[in-house]
Amino acid sequence: KNQVEQSPQSLIILEGKNCTLQCNYTVSPFSNLRWYKQDTGRGPVSLTIMTFSENTKSNGRYTATLDADTKQSSLHITASQLSDSASYICVVTPRPTDSWGKLQFGAGTQVVVTP
Amino acid sequence: EPEVTQTPSHQVTQMGQEVILRCVPISNHLYFYWYRQILGQKVEFLVSFYNNEISEKSEIFDDQFSVERPDGSNFTLKIRSTKLEDSAMYFCASSEAQGGLRDTQYFGPGTRLTVL
Repeated sequence: KNQVEQSPQSLIILEGKNCTLQCNYTVSPFSNLRWYKQDTGRGPVSLTIMTFSENTKSNGRYTATLDADTKQSSLHITASQLSDSASYICVVTPRPTDSWGKLQFGAGTQVVVTP
Repeated sequence: EPEVTQTPSHQVTQMGQEVILRCVPISNHLYFYWYRQILGQKVEFLVSFYNNEISEKSEIFDDQFSVERPDGSNFTLKIRSTKLEDSAMYFCASSEAQGGLRDTQYFGPGTRLTVL
């Protein structure tokens, strides 16, 4: 059972445009939700982290939102650049304490930014 | 900035052979993890390690797998008798803490394992 679902699966956008990626999760309760960026052939790199009490978090041109009531998160990329081409992965850290390390990964949204 | 390193970057092996994947976590981190990602699929948790013992493992982490921290810096994943389906990218990660905002896991660049 996949506890973190992401949409769309892939996305092509023009350089300079904005886009929004979606994440729905069923992990409950959870400690925090992160968005990771994974370049092809590389390890994931953390972009944003939000606890269950936070609604939004920004990191440069990346803004993440969280609605803990509907169990939805989004990642908004503003003024996309070619270097934004990557897979964006929604990752949920569950509670209770015996599952702290067992991150639940979404399948990712593959973003391709074209000139 | 400190980072997690992994060696080798690519390992090719014959089915049934043993492989050891190596990782050097960030030096002040106390929690260590292995994940794998089969081509085109999502990242999957394998095992977490703290205080020289496994703290959690997934269903994937069967008796063919083992982890070890042989010294103060290395963290290894051993696959005793590799199978074709073990072909994947294996990521090592480490974190300063578990729970709260200091539990960010920093990932290494991965080792691509190809089993022939």
